[in-house]
Amino acid sequence: SQQGEEDPQALSIQEGENATMNCSYKTSINNLQWYRQNSGRGLVHLILIRSNEREKHSGRLRVTLDTSKKSSSLLITASRAADTASYFCATPTPSNNNDMRFGAGTRLTVKP
Amino acid sequence: NAGVTQTPKFRVLKTGQSMTLLCAQDMNHEYMYWYRQDPGMGLRLIHYSVGEGTTAKGEVPDGYNVSRLKKQNFLLGLESAAPSQTSVYFCASSYGQGSYNEQFFGPGTRLTVL
Repeated sequence: SQQGEEDPQALSIQEGENATMNCSYKTSINNLQWYRQNSGRGLVHLILIRSNEREKHSGRLRVTLDTSKKSSSLLITASRAADTASYFCATPTPSNNNDMRFGAGTRLTVKP
Repeated sequence: NAGVTQTPKFRVLKTGQSMTLLCAQDMNHEYMYWYRQDPGMGLRLIHYSVGEGTTAKGEVPDGYNVSRLKKQNFLLGLESAAPSQTSVYFCASSYGQGSYNEQFFGPGTRLTVL
């Protein structure tokens, strides 16, 4: 069963705009990861945020984590056409830190 | 440094046929994983390995077997393929436990079972 669920399922924006994607999960976690997948490719790791962190930055990416609401958000600022991809959050299952559960993803389209 | 590679990239099988998917990594990672990705469902873990000679079941292990005879290789086998196994299969590896470490993914194998 899915642990994390992304919202929205699809997002279309213009180049230069910001994109926000959300992830909700069901059980307590040690950390949460975000991945990107370009069409026809494997996933690429973006960022890992630990349960004791509220916010983390990496370049144009900003990730927040609210453990009280069991939710995380990924913000991409000043988006580019190359950011067009699917974005997934991943969380460990409660009983197994090797079993990561991925959501169905948010499909982001950035129009030039 | 090739990272994670998968062989083959595409394959079409008939129901009942068998095949093996090969995953190789050159990063000296202990942990390796096999996932399947179906439309609208994200990735689901099939089997994983925490080191050479070890394997464990993931979320959807039925119909698949795995082996990790060498640290750098992780094989996924389908003994008797079924149409429900039509999917894109991804291999991944990580230095440590998946939840605490970045996973590196291969490019995927697109499998169609007729």
